[in-house]
Amino acid sequence: DAGVTQSPTHLIKTRGQQVTLRCSPKSGHDTVSWYQQALGQGPQFIFQYYEEEERQRGNFPDRFSGHQFPNYSSELNVNALLLGDSALYLCASSLAPAGIYEQYFGPGTRLTVT
Amino acid sequence: GIQVEQSPPDLILQEGANSTLRCNFSDSVNNLQWFHQNPWGQLINLFYIPSGTKQNGRLSATTVATERYSLLYISSSQTTDSGVYFCAVEGIKAAGNKLTFGGGTRVLVKP
Repeated sequence: DAGVTQSPTHLIKTRGQQVTLRCSPKSGHDTVSWYQQALGQGPQFIFQYYEEEERQRGNFPDRFSGHQFPNYSSELNVNALLLGDSALYLCASSLAPAGIYEQYFGPGTRLTVT
Repeated sequence: GIQVEQSPPDLILQEGANSTLRCNFSDSVNNLQWFHQNPWGQLINLFYIPSGTKQNGRLSATTVATERYSLLYISSSQTTDSGVYFCAVEGIKAAGNKLTFGGGTRVLVKP
């Protein structure tokens, strides 16, 4: 049973650049959520995708956008990168946004903005 | 939104010791999960426990939903138990299943 996978593992970008992170959900899951974890803090919810649409969004600017594909995989895009965007980006998957299903996390992508 | 507080923020244990981690939350929840984050950042699922008691080996958890808290017990701790333990909840008023995380408890088990 394949777990949640993310790519790339690490990424270094320069301020002002754009970045795309990728996530494949756990087998059988149809909902993908993205979280940002700054150093020393708990993960913060960015947004959630279900049926190829953004269902919920946390307190993040429009520079953060995403997409979900028909095979349920997802991308997170960040434009005009700031130094403060340096963080571990985590993808989680679950079965339907019903509030009663366990979420599973991928290994994360560590983004460094210089 | 819902608030989640974990205590203690830091815990240093001698190998073999027992410990209790606490998670308080400010509203009714649909979902409560405990995670262990390893040094590489991977969040490992420990328990899905919106209510009741569960046990898995040396770990056990109890959630008292009516009193809005959950406890994670680590018995006979081992050095591999070191890392950060997070409690995360989904408030009953939240749409979908957005998890709100506590600040974590950083555990160091010394040999």
